[in-house]
Amino acid sequence: DTAVSQTPKYLVTQMGNDKSIKCEQNLGHDTMYWYKQDSKKFLKIMFSYNNKELIINETVPNRFSPKSPDKAHLNLHINSLELGDSAVYFCASSQPDRGANEQYFGPGTRLTVT
Amino acid sequence: DAKTTQPPSMDCAEGRAANLPCNHSTISGNEYVYWYRQIHSQGPQYIIHGLKNNETNEMASLIITEDRKSSTLILPHATLRDTAVYYCIVRASMYSGGGADGLTFGKGTHLIIQP
Repeated sequence: DTAVSQTPKYLVTQMGNDKSIKCEQNLGHDTMYWYKQDSKKFLKIMFSYNNKELIINETVPNRFSPKSPDKAHLNLHINSLELGDSAVYFCASSQPDRGANEQYFGPGTRLTVT
Repeated sequence: DAKTTQPPSMDCAEGRAANLPCNHSTISGNEYVYWYRQIHSQGPQYIIHGLKNNETNEMASLIITEDRKSSTLILPHATLRDTAVYYCIVRASMYSGGGADGLTFGKGTHLIIQP
């Protein structure tokens, strides 16, 4: 069973469209994250949710809106897509009050905006 | 979180030990050293973490200097599958507000295992 899964794996869309990326974790973790990895391979935190509550919102345009319907899911909705949004988006989860608080990452969603 | 410095790339022969250094001279007392790696086209993967003492698990060993200003990740018998970018990350413990923090990734070290 995949611990952290994301759909879709690839997403190609045009500028101005609205799209969503879904993330699910079956690890029972309380905290979930979204990261963006740009073309230069820099990985940056975008959002962090703990028990469905937003904890971190880095300087991300408000066109990006995370939604957490329950603890196991954190979806990323992006409005009015721009060329600069092209990147690989990774979802992750962790359990901050247990063990190493290591983060488990999904396989990534490669978003291409044309 | 404290900043880390790593060499941009390293080579290692298959079957040999790979030693990846990391400098974190501004680390504070409540910050842990974490290592992750990212194999091409995959999500990052946790390897190991430590505070003061040396640590070992099934993947690697972590050696932290006594002053905690640097550390070395050791892959004892590197294989071709260990070719990846390795990230050294320093972050506060959950008890110091680091619980739900995102990880701050630097550029990492691109480790290439040669056959």
